[in-house]
Order: sequence, then C-alpha cells, then structure tokens
Amino acid sequence: QVTLRESGPALVKPTQTLTLTCTFSGFSLSTSGMCVSWIRQPPGKALEWLALIDWDDDKYYSTSLKTRLTISKDTSKNQVVLTMTNMDPVDTATYYCARIPRIAVAGEGATYAFDIWGQGTMVTVSS
Amino acid sequence: DIQMTQSPSSVSASVGDRVTITCRASQGISSWLAWYQQKPGKAPKLLIYAASSLQSGVPSRFSGSGSGTDFTLTISSLQPEDFATYYCQQANSFPLLTFGPGTKVDIK
Repeated sequence: QVTLRESGPALVKPTQTLTLTCTFSGFSLSTSGMCVSWIRQPPGKALEWLALIDWDDDKYYSTSLKTRLTISKDTSKNQVVLTMTNMDPVDTATYYCARIPRIAVAGEGATYAFDIWGQGTMVTVSS
Repeated sequence: DIQMTQSPSSVSASVGDRVTITCRASQGISSWLAWYQQKPGKAPKLLIYAASSLQSGVPSRFSGSGSGTDFTLTISSLQPEDFATYYCQQANSFPLLTFGPGTKVDIK
C-alpha cells in the first residue's frame, strides 16, 4: 500500500523559513520514472504546483516561487523535504505531497500524473 | 508557462444528470492532461490521465476527451458522491506542471 504523510509546523511567523517533510511508504524514489512533488492550496482556492524531485535527484520548481523553494530527498529514510523561505501570510495554505510516477500510455508514450496524495498539512503564516 | 482555464467555474446539477466540464490550455499540450476530483477537506483524487485514460478504480461514468488545447471531462450520470470540485492539470511541460482553477459541481 502506497502512503504519503506530510509533517511540519502548523504556524509560522512572517519572514521565517518553513520546513515540511513528506514521509512515504510502499514505493521507492530510486525507481526510474518515480517522482515526488509538493502542491499547495490556500483556503477556498485552487491547487498550485510547487516543486518536484525525481528518481535521479533532479529538482524542479514553480517559476513564480523558485527563488524561495528547495526540495531534497533522503532515499534511505523515504522522505522528501521542502523548504520555503521568507514566509508571508499569503503563503497560508494546505500543503500536500504527492507521488507522481511515469505512466505508460499505449500508442502515445508516457505521461506523469499525481496518483497518490498525502492528507495535507495546514500551515498558517501569522505573527 | 502554460496556463489552464476551466469552464464553468461552477455548475448545479441533479443526481442522474450528465455533466460536462471544459478545460483549455494556453498552448497545445497534445493529450497530456489529467483530471482530479477533490471533496471538501480531502486531498485530490486522480480520475483520468492522458486526456482519456481512466485511472484504476474510477467508475466508468467518468470519461475524458480532447487533445491540443481543448479538453472535456464528462460524468454520464451524476451520483451523490460526485458532488465535488474538479481540476484539470497539464503534464505537457513536465516537470513544470499547472493546474486549472477548478470547477465546483454542486446540488441543484
């Protein structure tokens, strides 16, 4: 059974750095084609993709947030960590981690989709 | 970056209705589009990938179509458990990914 679980502080102050950990089980991030990603959702608003790390330790970030984000993995612990610097009240959101494997598509090649999500962790930014 | 739009932003429907949601990409994305369902307080759930491939375990009343810039998600006969918000997501520019703004399906 594949599971992911986010952990981290529920409350951070403006200008602080947020560190979130995604602990997963049931798959290996060393497997070719496997990735883990972070997505956030402000209250009542849409999903926003933040960052992705792949099986080869390549890292990718949202264009609008890349100067503030760092993603890393510890394969031995089955964890992916996201840090976001200079937190602001507008960063208040539920933060999700999700597995995103490469999926073969008959006759078309392959795609990637978020097939398993964590439950999410709510982060409030307030002084 | 590829931008995604969805229409309508919300739709009111009754159990048994056929519901269609549209997603449009700002540039061609081939068939690299996924659809997700999200219920209040829950994480999203993958319904469809590659525009029309049904994720394992998803009821067959859900279907997807389209390619290029225009895509649709259809629920053939709305069930009580289908009242939720639906998001599209492009994967053409993987690993840079984008979600649409969502479409809320609520009870008429």
